[in-house]
Amino acid sequence: GAGVSQTPSNKVTEKGKYVELRCDPISGHTALYWYRQSLGQGPEFLIYFQGTGAADDSGLPNDRFFAVRPEGSVSTLKIQRTERGDSAVYLCASSSTGQPGELFFGEGSRLTVL
Amino acid sequence: AQSVTQLGSHVSVSEGALVLLRCNYSSSVPPYLFWYVQYPNQGLQLLLKYTTGATLVKGINGFEAEFKQSETSFHLTKPSAHMSDAAEYFCAVGGNEKLTFGTGTRLTIIP
Repeated sequence: GAGVSQTPSNKVTEKGKYVELRCDPISGHTALYWYRQSLGQGPEFLIYFQGTGAADDSGLPNDRFFAVRPEGSVSTLKIQRTERGDSAVYLCASSSTGQPGELFFGEGSRLTVL
Repeated sequence: AQSVTQLGSHVSVSEGALVLLRCNYSSSVPPYLFWYVQYPNQGLQLLLKYTTGATLVKGINGFEAEFKQSETSFHLTKPSAHMSDAAEYFCAVGGNEKLTFGTGTRLTIIP
């Protein structure tokens, strides 16, 4: 497809379980972002990749959260030992070089931790 | 650090009336400013942006915003609201790397 694709669109898990969320960016976009959006809030920055490397991971809330982008395309956000407070919509976005701030967002993965 | 504040989490206007959504920013460097829109069941999409140059910027669907440095504002306007404008609108500040978003304003259009 032409846009940013995120899977799964919905994920329900139990407290303490491990979760992986996948993002397939627009082909050719070198920058990839993960944001988290809680109910009634704006998107909150988590991590930014330029190519394969994490250029800025200052938004990851703690060491239970980790993200990879091994080949500079698809990215996976990994959450260990999930907590109820991790429930949110996780948004992925990509952008091309030379267009600062012009992010193309996926529809998000809604995570519910019971 | 950069931040934005959106005044009014909910705004209702009548169809055909002026739309005004408020955004104030805080930045220690000249900011890049953005408005994104999120329609129901869709991903966020860029409405318009200000980087440098002309302070009045035009976006999609008839929206525009004016960068006012003296007021640290970047308010979004549309002269005549349409039912299809009902959505959530987010102001953001940033640039080459991450964007920092406001908490959003939900716009409702009254027929």
